[in-house]
This record gives sequence, structure tokens and C-alpha cells, in this order.
Amino acid sequence: EAQVTQNPRYLITVTGKKLTVTCSQNMNHEYMSWYRQDPGLGLRQIYYSMNVEVTDKGDVPEGYKVSRKEKRNFPLILESPSPNQTSLYFCASSFYVGVQETQYFGPGTRLLVL
Amino acid sequence: TQLLEQSPQFLSIQEGENLTVYCNSSSVFSSLQWYRQEPGEGPVLLVTVVTGGEVKKLKRLTFQFGDARKDSSLHITAAQPGDTGLYLCAGAALATNFGNEKLTFGTGTRLTIIP
Repeated sequence: EAQVTQNPRYLITVTGKKLTVTCSQNMNHEYMSWYRQDPGLGLRQIYYSMNVEVTDKGDVPEGYKVSRKEKRNFPLILESPSPNQTSLYFCASSFYVGVQETQYFGPGTRLLVL
Repeated sequence: TQLLEQSPQFLSIQEGENLTVYCNSSSVFSSLQWYRQEPGEGPVLLVTVVTGGEVKKLKRLTFQFGDARKDSSLHITAAQPGDTGLYLCAGAALATNFGNEKLTFGTGTRLTIIP
């Protein structure tokens, strides 16, 4: 089954404790991205990756890191989480981002930073 | 950063009624997508519109792209409880790097259909 998986689905942590949210896709997609979703703000892109070892900042990259060592995996790293990073996070993938290209989203990771 | 404003932000109507959701921007997009998101899940693509003035129908859902490709609407006829969800529009525009396009998501419309 074609899918994007994220782990963990729920996470409660404390300020400053490094965490990683994993994302994996089995569709051989080149393009992957991370979004955060907050009430009234919609989905905002954090980072994206065009292919292995190619990453770039989205609209809200501060406080986040990513890596793309393998095509299928795109982990999101919070080196020192803060309460303003409490949010719902989505990973997405597609062959590329262009006209009529479908982005496939993971099920989301709900993060609470105390 | 291009912004996409959706209205209304919340909408609650009775089963069988019609409704329209709007997605507006001051920027031009090469294409526009509509997604539906259900609780505990990620957004799922419903449709992509590409040409200014284009109209696409998906059963009881009608999507229209504005002539100037700055806005779009989603009209639902005879709404059903299964239509309940968060509806998101997303506009595609050229990114500054690599020549690929970037998706910008709207603020979302949370729709509730009351049986």
C-alpha cells in the first residue's frame, strides 16, 4: 500500500529536550516536505527536499532541522524544542511539486512542548 | 510569502443545504488544489484546477478557478454528513530555487453538516 508514515503520532516533551520525528514514504517520491498546522493559520511549510541531500527552507524553518540521506526518509529534528513549537506536524511527498501533482500526506504527529 | 484567505473559517449547516467556500489571494497561481482533511488524518487531494475560469465537478462538489487565477470556490450541493471536514485550498507558484513550484496552503474552512 502506497503511504507516508510518521512516528511518533503523539509526543509530549519538555523545553530543550531534543527530539526527532521520522517520516518515510514507499512511493519512490523525489519531493518531500514538512508542514505544521495551527488553528487559523492553515498548513505552513517548514522545510522541503527536492531529492537526496537537497533540502531548503520553507516559510517557517526557525528552530527546525531536516536531513535527506535516503530517498524514502525525511526526519524532522527539533534540537531545542520550545512551547511555540507545540503543533500538529505533517510530512508529505510527491514525485515533484508542479501542476497537477498530488501530494500525499502522512497521518500527522501531534507535539506538545511543556 | 503569498497568502491564501479562505472564507468562511467555520460553517455549520443542515443536511441537504447548499454551500460555497471561497479561497482568495492577491497573487496569481499556476494551479490551485483543494484538499479535505478529516480528524486524525492528513489532507487528501480532491481536485486540481489549472486554467483560469476552469470548472471541475466531483459528484456534488463543484470547483471553479477564477479567471485571473487568484481565487477559487468550492460549491457543495445537497450537503451530506460525510462532507464534514476541514477544506483546504493550496496554490502553486514558482519557487525561487530549482524552478519547481511551491504550494501555499489557505487558512482552511471547517465544515460541519448536521444530520
